[in-house]
Amino acid sequence: GQQVMQIPQYQHVQEGEDFTTYCNSSTTLSNIQWYKQRPGGHPVFLIQLVKSGEVKKQKRLTFQFGEAKKNSSLHITATQTTDVGTYFCAGPFQGGKLIFGQGTELSVKP
Amino acid sequence: DGGITQSPKYLFRKEGQNVTLSCEQNLNHDAMYWYRQDPGQGLRLIYYSQIVNDFQKGDIAEGYSVSREKKESFPLTVTSAQKNPTAFYLCASSTVERTTDTQYFGPGTRLTVL
Repeated sequence: GQQVMQIPQYQHVQEGEDFTTYCNSSTTLSNIQWYKQRPGGHPVFLIQLVKSGEVKKQKRLTFQFGEAKKNSSLHITATQTTDVGTYFCAGPFQGGKLIFGQGTELSVKP
Repeated sequence: DGGITQSPKYLFRKEGQNVTLSCEQNLNHDAMYWYRQDPGQGLRLIYYSQIVNDFQKGDIAEGYSVSREKKESFPLTVTSAQKNPTAFYLCASSTVERTTDTQYFGPGTRLTVL
């Protein structure tokens, strides 16, 4: 079936350390999207990657889309306490649905 | 201000009662979605609608019902048939362009069934 797998499920880091979450799809995706959900909040769109091998940066966040368009990663350099939350990847599938990964919950110890 | 509103933020109901969660958007989006989120888990799709008067079941539709009589509104009813309804419910909307299906989420409703 259509699946988007995301690892790790949890990541605890010391402030200033780097963080990476990985996302893998069972099928080739037309695009991949990343969302962030702060504790107690709702998911907020961060970015969309469309091209094979694409790399995009948002300040300390680096997003990559794999060459085969089946995997993606989000890397945060020098984490800060404001980075705390759950990061989800999501890919569009047939029928107009977005399939979300299980999310990676990031906690940052000051 | 454009956006998605969900009300109420917190909702308490007794077991066996149906409850309807509101979702309204003024983004002029064609598609609307309902997700359920349980603690420490991802988003599971309940129902979605890409056009008025039409909707499709998601992965966990049993025990839920929806309607889409207006483009702006997509209410979700949690029926007494839903065995474990306590959860965080998120509504979202998007355009239906094939390559830009970014979803915009409402603030969510936390439903607790006592």
